[in-house]
Amino acid sequence: QSALTQPPSASGSPGQSVTISCTGTSGDVGVSKYVSWYQQHPGKAPKVMIYEVNKRPSGVPDRFSGSKSGNTASLTVSGLQAEDEAEYFCSSYAVSSDIYVFGTGTKVTVL
Amino acid sequence: EVQLVESEGGLVQPGGSVRLSCAASGFSFSNHWMHWVRQAPGKGLVWVSRINRDGSMTGYVDSVKGRFTVSRDNAKNTLYLQMNSLRAEDTAMYYCARDFDSGDGHWGQGTLVTVSS
Repeated sequence: QSALTQPPSASGSPGQSVTISCTGTSGDVGVSKYVSWYQQHPGKAPKVMIYEVNKRPSGVPDRFSGSKSGNTASLTVSGLQAEDEAEYFCSSYAVSSDIYVFGTGTKVTVL
Repeated sequence: EVQLVESEGGLVQPGGSVRLSCAASGFSFSNHWMHWVRQAPGKGLVWVSRINRDGSMTGYVDSVKGRFTVSRDNAKNTLYLQMNSLRAEDTAMYYCARDFDSGDGHWGQGTLVTVSS
């Protein structure tokens, strides 16, 4: 089972928006409602920012939003803030193989 | 407050074994599926294993099948990962996580396992 594909990097100025893609297959992202996004700051544990494609956990700002189209999921961060600079990973339950797969990770830089 | 605290990993020789534990507190441990996720230095996240609420069902990523065993002791609120036949490529930070992909997910702070001679 291969990792989900994400762009290595993305960037934006404060206040701008950035969108990160996460491409899988018809066996995972394409058929799973369990697509999630995580934020990880250096030396810290990941924190879930979006779950079940587009739901936000309590306490996550509404600047973070998720969506999915076909085999590709997306995370959009609107109104970028300095504290949003981090690595972001997606994950999906792979229905066909009954395992979980993570994305390759995207480093978001706030210019 | 939900807490997940992994035991210390440490340095292990290739071919060796180590058992990680994850002590849970602040929630009803027996009501939750638990997972192990690892991250090699400077690399991405990799899901390793999961176990259901009563320990009767487990799952593993292909790269650890037959070498790693996940288990739990609900009386002790503790999750375990027995890691055998360790290889250099198993070197990673190992995180235990509760419902890691849910809105109520929690991760431990991780423990580093280094496989080297």
